[in-house]
Amino acid sequence: DIVMTQSPLSLAVTPGEPASISCRSSQSLRHRNGYYYLEWYLQKPGQSPQLLIYLGSNRASGVPDRFSGSGSGTDFTLKISNVEAEDVGIYYCLQDVQSPRTFGPGTKVDIK
Amino acid sequence: QVQLQESGPGLVKPSETLSLTCTVSGDSITSSFWSWIRQPPGKGLEWIAYIHYSGSTNYNPSLKSRVSISVDTANNQLSLKLNSVTAADTAVYYCARHGSVVLGGVNAYPLDYWGQGTLVTVSS
Repeated sequence: DIVMTQSPLSLAVTPGEPASISCRSSQSLRHRNGYYYLEWYLQKPGQSPQLLIYLGSNRASGVPDRFSGSGSGTDFTLKISNVEAEDVGIYYCLQDVQSPRTFGPGTKVDIK
Repeated sequence: QVQLQESGPGLVKPSETLSLTCTVSGDSITSSFWSWIRQPPGKGLEWIAYIHYSGSTNYNPSLKSRVSISVDTANNQLSLKLNSVTAADTAVYYCARHGSVVLGGVNAYPLDYWGQGTLVTVSS
């Protein structure tokens, strides 16, 4: 199985400031089609996870443009340009290049 | 609006079989792939399996020997059965839809709709 790690595991951010979460995989997430099968999800308190980013850098429908995904190979990053109070929760990365799909351990984001 | 609703017993005895149903509304069960994912209390997410109405399935090897998933096209539902459960199977169980995205001629199937989840506790 591909092992996913995230860092930091928690962070507190001042509203309006940027935040960055790293996700690393034990194997390259590059598909033979050239795309990276890495997704980001946010699980807000008491809610189900919601899709933010797919194929490494593409925002899902309705996701604010303050969220951006980047990366290649085994290293990926989710950036929030200006954190808002509604962005609190646990962020998970998920690899979809090889079965079984595996999630990262999650990064808990709080507001200072 | 696509909605998914999990249902089933909230309490299962050790060694018995956990059975859950996910009812889909706002979309046809024949439209895409569908997954089950679980989350032990206070812990992270674990993908269990996916299914396509055609019968194509894919299971997490860590659970494959104990898991079975199926679809009921007549009732627009998918189901999950997990046998020989132990306390380690206590979790919130989610069903989710794999959306279909085409980008530059490439297909991707991210989990775009999730149910609210149902907590299943394994205890005698």
